[in-house]
Amino acid sequence: AQKITQTQPGMFVQEKEAVTLDCTYDTSDPSYGLFWYKQPSSGEMIFLIYQGSYDQQNATEGRYSLNFQKARKSANLVISASQLGDSAMYFCAMREGDGRALTFGSGTRLQVQP
Amino acid sequence: DADVTQTPRNRITKTGKRIMLECSQTKGHDRMYWYRQDPGLGLRLIYYSFDVKDINKGEISDGYSVSRQAQAKFSLSLESAIPNQTALYFCATSDPAYLDTGELFFGEGSRLTVL
Repeated sequence: AQKITQTQPGMFVQEKEAVTLDCTYDTSDPSYGLFWYKQPSSGEMIFLIYQGSYDQQNATEGRYSLNFQKARKSANLVISASQLGDSAMYFCAMREGDGRALTFGSGTRLQVQP
Repeated sequence: DADVTQTPRNRITKTGKRIMLECSQTKGHDRMYWYRQDPGLGLRLIYYSFDVKDINKGEISDGYSVSRQAQAKFSLSLESAIPNQTALYFCATSDPAYLDTGELFFGEGSRLTVL
């Protein structure tokens, strides 16, 4: 079974609008962490935001917020006020326990239109 | 200079050749990883190492080997490259999650093409 599922291969959003990128996860470990990374066309992986399984509040970092719904096992990334520079691939990833490594989803390609 | 450096950044080779991708880091992390990225498949773990004496296979280790020469250096080898190993390869490092979040710090990637 997939540990991380991103069901949106591609998304479009108008500049200045908000967009939600979906991520669902599967784990039986009570301690885990969820990450979002951005990969622009230049190829580097940029860390955006982190949510721990025991964190009571949803994580926020500037225009990025993580909508964490533990019972539904979802960790959606919300980007507010989209900018042209937000056009990129976005990957959701999970660490289980002090796990061996992060497991990544297949990614969502976001295109921001002017 | 980047905290995690990969060499070469780009390489074109032929089927059957031996290839080594090198990774060095200045973050002082014990944990190092090699991932492979293919379109539509995200990043998949090839090998990981939690210290110099610890090497572990990931989900797609067949056809690859690694060497942890020092805390700061972790190399990935393709003993006999084949075309379906054409991909973007990432080295990454991290602290253990009990020290921090376990966030991965990535190198800039090595694009390998096997003809």
